[in-house]
Parts: sequence; structure tokens; C-alpha cells
Amino acid sequence: NAGVMQNPRHLVRRRGQEARLRCSPMKGHSHVYWYRQLPEEGLKFMVYLQKENIIDESGMPKERFSAEFPKEGPSILRIQQVVRGDSAAYFCASRDSGANVLTFGAGSRLTVL
Amino acid sequence: DQQVKQNSPSLSVQEGRISILNCDYTNSMFDYFLWYKKYPAEGPTFLISISSIKDKNEDGRFTVFLNKSAKHLSLHIVPSQPGDSAVYFCAARRVSGSARQLTFGSGTQLTVLP
Repeated sequence: NAGVMQNPRHLVRRRGQEARLRCSPMKGHSHVYWYRQLPEEGLKFMVYLQKENIIDESGMPKERFSAEFPKEGPSILRIQQVVRGDSAAYFCASRDSGANVLTFGAGSRLTVL
Repeated sequence: DQQVKQNSPSLSVQEGRISILNCDYTNSMFDYFLWYKKYPAEGPTFLISISSIKDKNEDGRFTVFLNKSAKHLSLHIVPSQPGDSAVYFCAARRVSGSARQLTFGSGTQLTVLP
């Protein structure tokens, strides 16, 4: 039973490029969360999705960031026109309906040159 | 607005002694609290949790205490082991409709010295 799988683990982009981060939740989990950890900071909530629906995107920057969780396939966090301030570790977590605990992936570390 | 605060960025403890990590929160709507442990280059791993209707939960070497009136919780690790060295995050959950999201503190780096 694989855990939450994130890829790529490391991604380097130049300013202005696009970054796509993927997350496959644990088997049977239909709730996906994305968190961002900036250097020397804690985990900041970005977005909460269920299959094909965005439930809460209150933590997501209004511009350049988008997320989806299609009926088939992984959840995608997309960052357009990346800037140096987007450099961070992006963690995906999933849970089963009714569960209190989130299970996290190992994270995707984005570096913007 | 930091609703969950971990005021100690780091803590060093001798092996075999007790580690006490503290967490304060401001939102009285939080109803469930969790502690996660994180090693470098890995994702956070769930450690222990407590519901707001309890004041203590114990699991082996780990005990979490909740003081609702003070809006304070703490994690006790005894005896501390070198493998416990990690960043510990406190998290609080607020249920709003169908949404259950966790708000995390900034973490405390625990170093257990052999």
C-alpha cells in the first residue's frame, strides 16, 4: 500500500517558466491537500480538493497558481511564470472521508533560478 | 494571523531525559489537535493527536496534554532518544462545513544529545 506519492521530488525552473507538481493520494483517499513550506517557516495551507472539486483555495495566491484533482489521475499543482519567491517545498497530503489525520507525501522541492 | 504558535524554534535535550514541546493556539473553534514529526527531506509523519473533549492522550513514550482554558497543548517525550531528533509541528483542525483543514505551527527543532 503505497503512501502519498509526489513527483518530481526536485524541480528546477528559471524565472518565467511553469512548474507542475503531481500528487497521487493514498489508495482510497478522495481528499487532497496542498501545503507549502518556505525556508525557515512552517507548513502553510494552500488548497483542499476532492475529486473534480476545489473545496477550499483560501491559501492559494490569486494569480499564477492553480490546482486540480481530476476524476482520473493525480492531483496537479501548477505554478505559471514562476518567481524566485516560489522556491519552497510543496507537500501534498491526503485523507479518507471522515478521517482526522492527513498522510503526507515526501514533498516536491521547487528551486527557481 | 498566526493561529497556531510554537514559540520555541529549537530545543536540545539529553538522551533519556524528558522533552517537552509547547504549542499555543488562538482560535477557540479548533476541535482536534495533532503532532507531526518531520525529518529532513521527508514529509511530516503523524505522531499523536487529541480531541478537544480530552485533556490527555498517551501512546508509548509520547503524551499530549491539552489545556483548553489556556489554549495550550504540549507534547512530552520520555525517555528521549537520539532518533527523536526532528522538527515537530503542532497542528489544529477546524471543521467548517465539509472542509477539514489543518493549521500548522512553525515547528520546533528537537535535538536529543547522546
